[in-house]
Amino acid sequence: DAGITQSPRHKVTETGTPVTLRCHQTENHRYMYWYRQDPGHGLRLIHYSYGVKDTDKGEVSDGYSVSRSKTEDFLLTLESATSSQTSVYFCAIRIGTSGRADEQFFGPGTRLTVL
Amino acid sequence: AQSVTQPDIHITVSEGASLELRCNYSYGATPYLFWYVQSPGQGLQLLLKYFSGDTLVQGIKGFEAEFKRSQSSFNLRKPSVHWSDAAEYFCAVGSGGYQKVTFGTGTKLQVIP
Repeated sequence: DAGITQSPRHKVTETGTPVTLRCHQTENHRYMYWYRQDPGHGLRLIHYSYGVKDTDKGEVSDGYSVSRSKTEDFLLTLESATSSQTSVYFCAIRIGTSGRADEQFFGPGTRLTVL
Repeated sequence: AQSVTQPDIHITVSEGASLELRCNYSYGATPYLFWYVQSPGQGLQLLLKYFSGDTLVQGIKGFEAEFKRSQSSFNLRKPSVHWSDAAEYFCAVGSGGYQKVTFGTGTKLQVIP
């Protein structure tokens, strides 16, 4: 099984503070993704990475930045957290090398509350 | 742009009854289609996927889905639901080399004894 961890699992912070969420994988997969999950919206893609230092925006990237300096770690940063960023954040890795309909395997999620 | 519609927000079925969850997608070319399940407080787990070939796809936990291009649908079915199937189900469509996936808003399944 793919090993993927997220840290922290829960965080409460205040508006205006910076926050960094970490996604760590143990199997050297090239593609990694950050999603947020909100009631009534399903999961929405924030950013994704297709290699070390190679990242791109998803559909809800405003207010978020990412970095990937090592294959195993994909960091999501909220530069100045706002209450609208209260959400559950999921990291995912792309499993498989067929290039077609490869499965995404999800981490356990981080619940972030911005007061 | 690709999109996914799951018209049912909540569905309640009796244990042992059959289940069908609806999913409609919008995508210009042949889509990659997925169904994921999420139990409370958990991440998402893949049930099944489709990208070509046989339009009836078998998945884990006794689920299957049928791709109908003419209806732009990819409905999920199970002949007999178990109490442990209570969860939220997400349909998704993927595209391109980067496999950017768009999820539907989910259908929450309740199973009653």
